Amino acid sequence: QKEVEQDPGPLSVPEGAIVSLNCTYSNSAFQYFMWYRQYSRKGPELLMYTYSSGNKEDGRFTAQVDKSSKYISLFIRDSQPSDSATYLCAMSALAGGTSYGKLTFGQGTILTVHP
Amino acid sequence: GAVVSQHPSWVICKSGTSVKIECRSLDFQATTMFWYRQFPKQSLMLMATSNEGSKATYEQGVEKDKFLINHASLTLSTLTVTSAHPEDSSFYICSAINPGGGSPLHFGNGTRLTVT
Repeated sequence: QKEVEQDPGPLSVPEGAIVSLNCTYSNSAFQYFMWYRQYSRKGPELLMYTYSSGNKEDGRFTAQVDKSSKYISLFIRDSQPSDSATYLCAMSALAGGTSYGKLTFGQGTILTVHP
Repeated sequence: GAVVSQHPSWVICKSGTSVKIECRSLDFQATTMFWYRQFPKQSLMLMATSNEGSKATYEQGVEKDKFLINHASLTLSTLTVTSAHPEDSSFYICSAINPGGGSPLHFGNGTRLTVT
C-alpha cells in the first residue's frame, strides 16, 4: 500500500465548474499537507500549505485536512482553462526544519478544464 | 519571490557517459536542497537530501555511487548521473528550503534526461 493515494484521473470539467481533488494517506506521522500544481515539463508550484485539520482558503482554492480520516482535499472554484495541469498532494512529518523538504507525493491528478 | 534555478532544462546523452545537473537558489541561501526524480505519469520520488558542506543523505534504494551529489556552496547543489543507462532517463527536479520563511519549499523547473 502506498503511503499516499491519489486518483490519477484524468479529470475533465467545463469552465466554471467546481473541482474536487482528494488524497488519502496511511502514515499518521504526516503533519504538513501541501498541494502543488505542475504544468507539463515544469517543476511543481506550491498552491496551498496547511498544518492543522480544517479549512484554508486562498482565492479560488480551498484546502481541507481531516487528520482523523487521513484525508485531504483541494477545491477549485470557478475553474478556468488555465487551471489545466497536474495537481499533486504532498505531505511531510513533523521532524524539524528540513522535514519540509522530505515530501511524500501522491501520484497526481491530471485536470483539464475545457472552455 | 524566491526562485530555484535548474540547468540544463533538458539533456540527451549516450549510455555510459556522465551528466551533471545544477540547482541554484537565486535569492536566498539554502543549506539544504533536495533532489527528486519523476518518471512519466508517476509522482515525484525523493532521491536524496543535499547538505552544504557535508555528505548527502540518500533515500533507500538510491545508489549513492551512481548519483553523486555535491553541495559546495550555500546556493549551489549538483547532481551527477554517472555511467548513465537508458533506465536513468527521467525528469530530475531539485528543491530548496527558503529559511527566510514564506513558501516552505521551492522547486526548480526540472531537467529532462534522456539516455540513448
